[in-house]
Amino acid sequence: GAGVSQSPRYKVAKRGQDVALRCDPISGHVSLFWYQQALGQGPEFLTYFQNEAQLDKSGLPSDRFFAERPEGSVSTLKIQRTQQEDSAVYLCASSLTVWSTQYFGPGTRLLVL
Amino acid sequence: AQSVTQLDSHVSVSEGTPVLLRCNYSSSYSPSLFWYVQHPNKGLQLLLKYTSAATLVKGINGFEAEFKKSETSFHLTKPSAHMSDAAEYFCVVTIGGGGSQGNLIFGKGTKLSVKP
Repeated sequence: GAGVSQSPRYKVAKRGQDVALRCDPISGHVSLFWYQQALGQGPEFLTYFQNEAQLDKSGLPSDRFFAERPEGSVSTLKIQRTQQEDSAVYLCASSLTVWSTQYFGPGTRLLVL
Repeated sequence: AQSVTQLDSHVSVSEGTPVLLRCNYSSSYSPSLFWYVQHPNKGLQLLLKYTSAATLVKGINGFEAEFKKSETSFHLTKPSAHMSDAAEYFCVVTIGGGGSQGNLIFGKGTKLSVKP
């Protein structure tokens, strides 16, 4: 497929567990964005990569959230010591350049019990 | 700072009747504005974007939106609703002009229901 893919699609974690969410962007897309969408809300920006460089992480809610894109392609969003308020859908988007149209993946729905 | 306000959290229409989803924006700059649609279990899809080339913007699936600077509005319309239009719609603003994106700032969304 040519679209953005994310895995897992659903994740249930116990409070305090660490989780890792994966995003496979469209091949050749330089820019990659992560967003968090709480229930009943619009997505909110978390962080952004240009190739392997994380240029903006101003939206990460705490130092428990960490994102990486080591080879400038696949990205992983890691949440340490999950809390109930981390329950949300995590969306990944990629674009050819930072200013180009973003294409979104289906999201990972995280539920922290 | 940029922001958008979607005036209705839920809109219900009958199939074949017009759709109006309202959005007001706030921006210190000349904004780029977008509408995205989110169907259940599917990724967000771009419907249309305002590039400042024309105030009336046509998008996919018969949707259009009109940029009104005097009213700071960017309402989404469709002349005749179809059952497949039932979804969540998001109004989005960025600081990039000319239709460019970057960090997207989303409204809270409007859920559109279409009755047969």
